[in-house]
Amino acid sequence: SAVISQKPSRDICQRGTSLTIQCQVDSQVTMMFWYRQQPGQSLTLIATANQGSEATYESGFVIDKFPISRPNLTFSTLTVSNMSPEDSSIYLCSVEGTGETQYFGPGTRLLVL
Amino acid sequence: GDSVTQMEGPVTLSEEAFLTINCTYTATGYPSLFWYVQYPGEGLQLLLKATKADDKGSNKGFEATYRKETTSFHLEKGSVQVSDSAVYFCALSEPTDKLIFGTGTRLQVFP
Repeated sequence: SAVISQKPSRDICQRGTSLTIQCQVDSQVTMMFWYRQQPGQSLTLIATANQGSEATYESGFVIDKFPISRPNLTFSTLTVSNMSPEDSSIYLCSVEGTGETQYFGPGTRLLVL
Repeated sequence: GDSVTQMEGPVTLSEEAFLTINCTYTATGYPSLFWYVQYPGEGLQLLLKATKADDKGSNKGFEATYRKETTSFHLEKGSVQVSDSAVYFCALSEPTDKLIFGTGTRLQVFP
């Protein structure tokens, strides 16, 4: 299994600002995923990030709000732009493993005031 | 589209009780099925998985059997411990490698 770290682990931000979340994996992977988990809710896929191509966004998520970078096979960033209190969530990155399994990072807990 | 339905929680049990968390799915193909666990303040960890009909996934005393005829993947454990208190997510994988999650079931185990 992959070891995944995320930075920051938590943050409190003011509305209208932006936050960039980093995801680092200890091995090279082709596919990385970004999820949002709103308070008391399940996980919702934001986008899939493949190295060397534009991220693919799910319905309801747009690049202007959640720009993603994937500069190499071990790293990705997700930016939450122009934040509002509704963006308060846990943001998780994951990577593909074998047999359709995904391995998740510890998450970034974001509170927007 | 594909979907996963889990029983609502919280599920409250005494230590050593038997656990069942129901999960049913809707899928057009033959997905792999997963149970993930989220301990308080942590990210998701893979608990077990099954890739085809009649497969049984097992780990840490938890089991789940892929039942194609009932489109179910119920999670069971014969004797729960306080340390099993967590949120459990059932999920399926789509051909595009996306995971579709259920809403999660919170388990609370008391001594």
